[in-house]
Amino acid sequence: ETGVTQSPTHLIKTRGQQVTLRCSSQSGHNTVSWYQQALGQGPQFIFQYYREEENGRGNFPPRFSGLQFPNYSSELNVNALELDDSALYLCASSADRNYGYTFGSGTRLTVV
Amino acid sequence: GQQLNQSPQSMFIQEGEDVSMNCTSSSIFNTWLWYKQDPGEGPVLLIALYKAGELTSNGRLTAQFGITRKDSFLNISASIPSDVGIYFCAGFPGGGSEKLVFGKGTKLTVNP
Repeated sequence: ETGVTQSPTHLIKTRGQQVTLRCSSQSGHNTVSWYQQALGQGPQFIFQYYREEENGRGNFPPRFSGLQFPNYSSELNVNALELDDSALYLCASSADRNYGYTFGSGTRLTVV
Repeated sequence: GQQLNQSPQSMFIQEGEDVSMNCTSSSIFNTWLWYKQDPGEGPVLLIALYKAGELTSNGRLTAQFGITRKDSFLNISASIPSDVGIYFCAGFPGGGSEKLVFGKGTKLTVNP
């Protein structure tokens, strides 16, 4: 059974640019969530997708958007990048909305 | 609000010692999860708790879901050097929320 894979592993972007991060869910998982983890902090919930529909959102502005595809892979898009967007972005998948999530290793985004 | 207060923030122990950390909240949580995160990796699920009062073990790890549904603890017995890492409690708040809330983590250092 494959786990959750994320790409790229590291990324450097300039303030104002746009970025797309990708996630491949664990086989059989229909729910994917994205989290932002700043240095020294716990992960913060961005949003969740269940069967290709957004199923909940945390306190993040609309320039954070996402997609889930029929094969349950997912994208996180961030527009108009700000310096404070620098963080580890984690994707997590689950077989159901309230089960323990399996996390990927994350994408380390640095905005300069 | 839906915040998790995790303590202690950090622990320095000798190999072979037992460890205890806990998480509390002012509001009810329906599910409690304990994760471990190593540097450069995503969190790995250690134990999931789904019912108030539930006591669950995973090898040297034991965790309990508090009766009030507002707290949980994690114990590690006979610590070993590979237990080093950051431990996070996390939970799904009541009301069917899909948002997994994380504590700020407990950083564990084990001296051989």
